[in-house]
Amino acid sequence: EVQLVESGGGLVQPGGSLRLSCAASGFSFNTYAMSWVRQAPGKGLEWVSVISGTIIAGRGGETYYADSVKGRFAVSRDNSKNTLYLEMNSLRAEDTAVYYCAKCIASTSSRSLDHWGQGTLVTVSS
Amino acid sequence: QSALTQPASVSGSPGQSITISCSGTSSDIGYYDYVSWYQQHPGKAPKLMIYDVTKRPSGVSNRFSGSKSGDTASLTISGLQAEDEADYFCSSYTTSNTLVFGPGTKLTVL
Repeated sequence: EVQLVESGGGLVQPGGSLRLSCAASGFSFNTYAMSWVRQAPGKGLEWVSVISGTIIAGRGGETYYADSVKGRFAVSRDNSKNTLYLEMNSLRAEDTAVYYCAKCIASTSSRSLDHWGQGTLVTVSS
Repeated sequence: QSALTQPASVSGSPGQSITISCSGTSSDIGYYDYVSWYQQHPGKAPKLMIYDVTKRPSGVSNRFSGSKSGDTASLTISGLQAEDEADYFCSSYTTSNTLVFGPGTKLTVL
């Protein structure tokens, strides 16, 4: 059974930083692309970033970001620990949201997200 | 990265069929056959219902079906049931290697 468990959310002041983690199990983690998606309170889903999986030895780890977070957020993965990360810097009030970790259906793109974690809440406020 | 367009709400009676539309552009829905649909109940994580326009993941009822024509995709739910009441979001892969979502449609089962 695929399981994704996010952690690291909390209250942070504007301009601050936070690192989210997502522990994955139940599938070949290194093979699949992984995404972060956020949802502001009472709002819709917003895709944040993706990091590709490794289908060829020495390849993979390509990253893409939404314009709203480009230059401030960085996605990474540790395949030895089956863990996905999202480093968030220069946080703004509009970054307040539940952040979901999601497994992509493909190795190299975020074209569809077939498993989701339960989400972790990030609140940016003074 | 403009969002896709969906109706804010749709409704139907038990047993009826409803269709939710999702409009995009030639850079997303019109370019790739990579449209997905997600169901989200209040306080829960989204659940994949349809991927690659028409495909259903294992375990998803065949009452859910998807289609696409040009820059517009659609989700049809037949034989509406009370448990189908939820928010539905469409998404599409884009030519910028990103994913874009629609604003969501609230389905009410009357």
